[in-house]
Amino acid sequence: QQQVKQSPQSLIVQKGGISIINCAYENTAFDYFPWYQQFPGKGPALLIAIRPDVSEKKEGRFTISFNKSAKQFSLHIMDSQPGDSATYFCAASAASNRDDKIIFGKGTRLHILP
Amino acid sequence: DAGVTQSPTHLIKTRGQHVTLRCSPISGHKSVSWYQQVLGQGPQFIFQYYEKEERGRGNFPDRFSARQFPNYSSELNVNALLLGDSALYLCASSRGQRHTDTQYFGPGTRLTVL
Repeated sequence: QQQVKQSPQSLIVQKGGISIINCAYENTAFDYFPWYQQFPGKGPALLIAIRPDVSEKKEGRFTISFNKSAKQFSLHIMDSQPGDSATYFCAASAASNRDDKIIFGKGTRLHILP
Repeated sequence: DAGVTQSPTHLIKTRGQHVTLRCSPISGHKSVSWYQQVLGQGPQFIFQYYEKEERGRGNFPDRFSARQFPNYSSELNVNALLLGDSALYLCASSRGQRHTDTQYFGPGTRLTVL
């Protein structure tokens, strides 16, 4: 119930295309859903986050779509650029969780073709 | 401002040994969290410390312990190392202890257990 399932495991997109990464969760207590970007040799960095009271949040080329009833959320990267090539992690957390502060998905390795 | 720093960068140990990893948070941040990231997986929460007190503990054995010092830096200790402890250990700092507070990750310590 504490899992966050992320797909696809890897993704190849042409430059200028749309990259879409999906995540699903079971625990309805989750109330904060961040996305992290990780480059090789670096720690993850927060990209964008959403609360379940909104269905969409956009920051620049990055958009989170949130479907509370389906318990799914996704990251859309518009006009994908080679510099976006990285591993992306979705995550979920709940205020009530003491022992699992934040649960990460297994990651999606994104490669943007120049 | 300097980001989160971790030391050492890399470490090689043998089974049964003990290891201490260190983390310095961003100035002004009072919370430090530790994560284990096995190759090809998302980070897994180990501990959170806030104001020198443990505020969360993930599903890790008692061989794992941590502490936070008055200057908010932190140490992660792992005793009786196993081969399966080989991973990237990430430290993240945040201003507060709320699960919605943005976490800033360090570059990690790569631990190899032989």
